[in-house]
Amino acid sequence: DQQVKQNSPSLSVQEGRISILNCDYTNSMFDYFLWYKKYPAEGPTFLISISSIKDKNEDGRFTVFLNKSAKHLSLHIVPSQPGDSAVYFCAASGGSTSYDKVIFGPGTSLSVIP
Amino acid sequence: KAGVTQTPRYLIKTRGQQVTLSCSPISGHRSVSWYQQTPGQGLQFLFEYFSETQRNKGNFPGRFSGRQFSNSRSEMNVSTLELGDSALYLCASSLKRAPGNTIYFGEGSWLTVV
Repeated sequence: DQQVKQNSPSLSVQEGRISILNCDYTNSMFDYFLWYKKYPAEGPTFLISISSIKDKNEDGRFTVFLNKSAKHLSLHIVPSQPGDSAVYFCAASGGSTSYDKVIFGPGTSLSVIP
Repeated sequence: KAGVTQTPRYLIKTRGQQVTLSCSPISGHRSVSWYQQTPGQGLQFLFEYFSETQRNKGNFPGRFSGRQFSNSRSEMNVSTLELGDSALYLCASSLKRAPGNTIYFGEGSWLTVV
């Protein structure tokens, strides 16, 4: 069973516009969420995280929103740049027995069109 | 500060052989996790080690094993290789085991089984 879901395999956005990447999770015990970006032939790089005690975290062009009641989080990139084109992974951790087991979603491939 | 280092970066093995992949975590990091990435499957959790002990294990057959040394360096081994084991194997490290820890990835080891 997939505990972290990213239902959009791909997304295309015009340069300068907002990119919104969505993520849903099923395990209500998750209490920490992360977003990673991955370029081809490289390892994922950490972008931004949010704790379940918050509903928003902002870092420059990147903002993550968390809606715990809906078990949903989203990553907003404003403005989008061509260099943002990559695969974005949503991840979650926490729970009663597996604190450091970080579970990843399948990823969303973002293309920012110049 | 050096990042997570994985060796080898690329390797080709024959079905039935075994392979060992190595990971050196970021200096001071004591937790090491391994993930497998295949096309369309996202990042699948393999296992996590802390203080030389396996703390978590994903849903992979016993052919997949690992260990961690006293200096936190880790190795993973896959025996009796199958074609489906062809994947990018990623190692990640974090400072400690706790909810809310960010994990940092290496560039991965590309394994091709022929």
